[in-house]
Amino acid sequence: EAGVAQSPRYKIIEKRQSVAFWCNPISGHATLYWYQQILGQGPKLLIQFQNNGVVDDSQLPKDRFSAERLKGVDSTLKIQPAKLEDSAVYLCASSSKSGTGNTGELFFGEGSRLTVL
Amino acid sequence: GEDVEQSLFLSVREGDSSVINCTYTDSSSTYLYWYKQEPGAGLQLLTYIFSNMDMKQDQRLTVLLNKKDKHLSLRIADTQTGDSAIYFCAVSGGYNKLIFGAGTRLAVHP
Repeated sequence: EAGVAQSPRYKIIEKRQSVAFWCNPISGHATLYWYQQILGQGPKLLIQFQNNGVVDDSQLPKDRFSAERLKGVDSTLKIQPAKLEDSAVYLCASSSKSGTGNTGELFFGEGSRLTVL
Repeated sequence: GEDVEQSLFLSVREGDSSVINCTYTDSSSTYLYWYKQEPGAGLQLLTYIFSNMDMKQDQRLTVLLNKKDKHLSLRIADTQTGDSAIYFCAVSGGYNKLIFGAGTRLAVHP
């Protein structure tokens, strides 16, 4: 079974530029997550989708970050304009179930490392 | 909101046992998890424990849960160099959302 695919793996941009990250979850997984992992910290949830609807985006800086999952499969996370503090690894994860009564295992991609200069 | 805390670094000798500790604030989590992250890779689920259990054993791994003290621990028996990684404690924060600690970097030396 193919895992969660992310691209690009690495991206270097200057502040105020824009960047987009792409994620293809495991086939059949209804729930998709974007996490931000700053160096030395644990992953922080940015946004959670259930199919193509947003479940939780309470920690997404909406003035500069946007995400979509138009057909309930692939997802794109965009940052515009980028700030220095956006330097981080952006992790995409997917899960086959949501809600209570399941183990809640998330399957993570390898991440997209963003450096903002 | 939910807070998860871990010690940041642990160094052990190969063959010894490693114990990684975690404390959390929200007692409503149904499952509590340990994820492992190797350099340049994403997180991988190592093991989990259901909240009504005190202990779970899985080969070299033992998870202990003290709900009263909101304390979770992961013990790795016979630690090997291949166990060197960052270990994240995570608790469910509602509707399948996971809240992660900052991670404990485990260094195994000969």
